[in-house]
Amino acid sequence: EVQLLESGGGLVQPGGSLRLSCAASGFTFNTYAMSWVRQTPEKGLEWVSGIHPGGGGTYYADSVKGRFTISRDNSKNTLSLQMNSLRAEDTALYYCAKLKRYVDNWPMDYYFDYWGRGTLVTVSS
Amino acid sequence: QSELTQPPSVSGAPGQRVTISCTGSSSNIGATSGIHWYQQLPGTAPKLLIYGNNNRPSGVPDRFSGSKSGTSASLAITGLQAEDEANYYCQSYDSSLSGYVFGTGTKVTVL
Repeated sequence: EVQLLESGGGLVQPGGSLRLSCAASGFTFNTYAMSWVRQTPEKGLEWVSGIHPGGGGTYYADSVKGRFTISRDNSKNTLSLQMNSLRAEDTALYYCAKLKRYVDNWPMDYYFDYWGRGTLVTVSS
Repeated sequence: QSELTQPPSVSGAPGQRVTISCTGSSSNIGATSGIHWYQQLPGTAPKLLIYGNNNRPSGVPDRFSGSKSGTSASLAITGLQAEDEANYYCQSYDSSLSGYVFGTGTKVTVL
């Protein structure tokens, strides 16, 4: 059974940093691309970042580029998101999600086949 | 502002058929092979419902079906049941944004 378990969320002041982690199990972690997706009541679901199976390729939404860094440790089946220079608009529930290929057309025809339960990040003074 | 537009809400009586539209553009729906749909029950994470336009993962009832045409897609629920009350989101990739995009979401209410 695929399981994704996020951790590391919490309350942080504007300008601060936070590191999210996602522990994966139930599948061959090093053969799948992974992503972070966040959700707020106001903006709905928003893709944040993605990473290749081997970690060599990383991708970011414009809203977080230059502030967030995605990484993975395939030896520990762990996905991470380092978030710096946090802003109030980064407040959201952050999900770890596994990417799966529909057709071999990276990254266009991929979808999120499993999601974690999410970890809440609140940026406020 | 999402690149994929969905109606905020749809409703129907038990047993009825409802459809949810997802309208995009040539840089997203029109540029990809497949559209994907997710169901989010209250207080839970999104769950994959349909992938590649009209493919259901194991365990998803065949009451759910999808289609894609040009720059739009739709999700149909036939034989609506109380347990189908949830929010539904479409998803694609946008080549102009170089990232994945989600629809604005549709709340389905069973009357």
